[in-house]
Amino acid sequence: GAGVSQSPRYKVAKRGQDVALRCDPISGHVSLFWYQQALGQGPEFLTYFQNEAQLDKSGLPSDRFFAERPEGSVSTLKIQRTQQEDSAVYLCASSLEYFRVGELFFGEGSRLTVL
Amino acid sequence: DQQVKQNSPSLSVQEGRISILNCDYTNSMFDYFLWYKKYPAEGPTFLISISSIKDKNEDGRFTVFLNKSAKHLSLHIVPSQPGDSAVYFCAASAYYGGSQGNLIFGKGTKLSVKP
Repeated sequence: GAGVSQSPRYKVAKRGQDVALRCDPISGHVSLFWYQQALGQGPEFLTYFQNEAQLDKSGLPSDRFFAERPEGSVSTLKIQRTQQEDSAVYLCASSLEYFRVGELFFGEGSRLTVL
Repeated sequence: DQQVKQNSPSLSVQEGRISILNCDYTNSMFDYFLWYKKYPAEGPTFLISISSIKDKNEDGRFTVFLNKSAKHLSLHIVPSQPGDSAVYFCAASAYYGGSQGNLIFGKGTKLSVKP
């Protein structure tokens, strides 16, 4: 497709369940970012890939969060043993820029609700 | 500690008048600033940007002003239209010389343009 595609759009999980969120970036975009947006807040950086290399994961809140992009295109954000505080919208964004962040193209997000 | 601050959670403006959205930042390393617009249930979309070597950038009805000494930027929308009603996020980035870094977002300002 023409834009960044994320799935599922909505996910309800019971506390303790594992979830996987998928991002399909714009074709040809080398950079891919994951952001977490809590209610009433701005997006907060989680992690960044350049092709298949995860260059920055400093924003991941705990070791329960794991992201991968094995072939440099589709990325998966996995959250293990979900907690209520993980409830948020998870935004994926991609960019043409290689050496510095510029305009990011965002997907519609995956809204995670942990009960 | 928030590096990018949008102190007004909401703003209401009459159609046809000017909308001014403000943003302050604390990190003097920031050298590139962007505004994103977000409608409900959609991802943020890029609106306009400015490099720190400029103090003004204009694109149609949208103008961004940067005051580096005050660490302040503003987005002006003239004339405002009802379709401009959305949440506006200010974002900033820094170039770390080979490392792309990421975008730091403010909490957003919800703009309502009344017909």
